[in-house]
Amino acid sequence: DAGVIQSPRHEVTEMGQEVTLRCKPISGHNSLFWYRQTMMRGLELLIYFNNNVPIDDSGMPEDRFSAKMPNASFSTLKIQPSEPRDSAVYFCASSSWTGGSYNEQFFGPGTRLTVL
Amino acid sequence: KQEVTQIPAALSVPEGENLVLNCSFTDSAIYNLQWFRQDPGKGLTSLLLIQSSQREQTSGRLNASLDKSSGRSTLYIAASQPGDSATYLCAVPYNAGNNRKLIWGLGTSLAVNP
Repeated sequence: DAGVIQSPRHEVTEMGQEVTLRCKPISGHNSLFWYRQTMMRGLELLIYFNNNVPIDDSGMPEDRFSAKMPNASFSTLKIQPSEPRDSAVYFCASSSWTGGSYNEQFFGPGTRLTVL
Repeated sequence: KQEVTQIPAALSVPEGENLVLNCSFTDSAIYNLQWFRQDPGKGLTSLLLIQSSQREQTSGRLNASLDKSSGRSTLYIAASQPGDSATYLCAVPYNAGNNRKLIWGLGTSLAVNP
């Protein structure tokens, strides 16, 4: 398996533009997580899905952020409009959930977003 | 509210030393604890996962221990090598109903000098 795949790896955009980050989880995994990492705040969970359904989006900073998972093999995180304070590394991770048993999360390489 | 703390924030050691990284958590009712490694500019790699019923896990030169009652975990690295240089993070699941998000420490940045 190629692991969790994220695209793009780097994104530089101007304030006000729409940004879309993409993630392909590991095949067979049914949980998908979006994280944001900054020097000041460390890793923050933005949202996670189980079986394509959003379970907890309490970490999504504001309405400018939205995430979708239309099928088991694809998810997007969209920021519209983007602001300089959104600059961070965004990670996607996936894991398998087998009824009461938590399994480890596998991370993608991340997307480094810079908003000018 | 669960909080995870890692001490020290940074550590620099000469090659060959045995070292210990610390992770503490405020709520001892954890499901498990996981240690990750992050190389600069890269994603996170899972190193060890200790279930709540376990006391330790070993993988090669790495040994992670868990003491739930005291709210602590340690990651022991034997005979450190320059290739061990990275940031090490610990995380515990925050379990509330169907909520399986991880609560993260800020990490320990390790530099092993040749």
